[in-house]
Amino acid sequence: DQQVKQNSPSLSVQEGRISILNCDYTNSMFDYFLWYKKYPAEGPTFLISISSIKDKNEDGRFTVFLNKSAKHLSLHIVPSQPGDSAVYFCAARGDIIQGAQKLVFGQGTRLTINP
Amino acid sequence: DSGVTQTPKHLITATGQRVTLRCSPRSGDLSVYWYQQSLDQGLQFLIQYYNGEERAKGNILERFSAQQFPDLHSELNLSSLELGDSALYFCASSVAPSGGLGRETQYFGPGTRLLVL
Repeated sequence: DQQVKQNSPSLSVQEGRISILNCDYTNSMFDYFLWYKKYPAEGPTFLISISSIKDKNEDGRFTVFLNKSAKHLSLHIVPSQPGDSAVYFCAARGDIIQGAQKLVFGQGTRLTINP
Repeated sequence: DSGVTQTPKHLITATGQRVTLRCSPRSGDLSVYWYQQSLDQGLQFLIQYYNGEERAKGNILERFSAQQFPDLHSELNLSSLELGDSALYFCASSVAPSGGLGRETQYFGPGTRLLVL
């Protein structure tokens, strides 16, 4: 049961253009969403997050949009840079009863920025 | 550098053996999480500890166990290893499991790559 889905396993974008990574979820109880970036042989690095009470959060070149009615979020990177080439994971928080917290991850999207 | 450390970085062992993976959380973080990433798979949540107590369990096999010690470091024990246990094992930490934006963000260590032959 894949509660968080990233349907595009890979994405290729020209340097300087906008990269848009998409994520869909099925569980309406998810209330906090995060994006992580992962380079080979390293652990995931936290990028940006958004609470379900918001529809947009911006941090420099990175913006996350949340559409709760569609159960969809997206990460926009503008402008894209070669260093952005990595695997991007979308994650959602669930199971917060009694202080427990479990992140449910998507399968990841491999982003390649071409010079 | 996230501030989360994991040892060892690589581990090669044989089927049927037992191994222990170690994690030290970021300074001040009370919560520790373990994840498994198999080949071509996303990260699968295994277990969470908060200040020494188990708080949440995911898809963790009975052959696996974990604990968090008084100094807040954590160990993941994997026993009766099978070929299918070969994976990357990540530890993450956060300040608290809940309590306001930012406090829940999990920061990941570099991972331990386990290869079972």
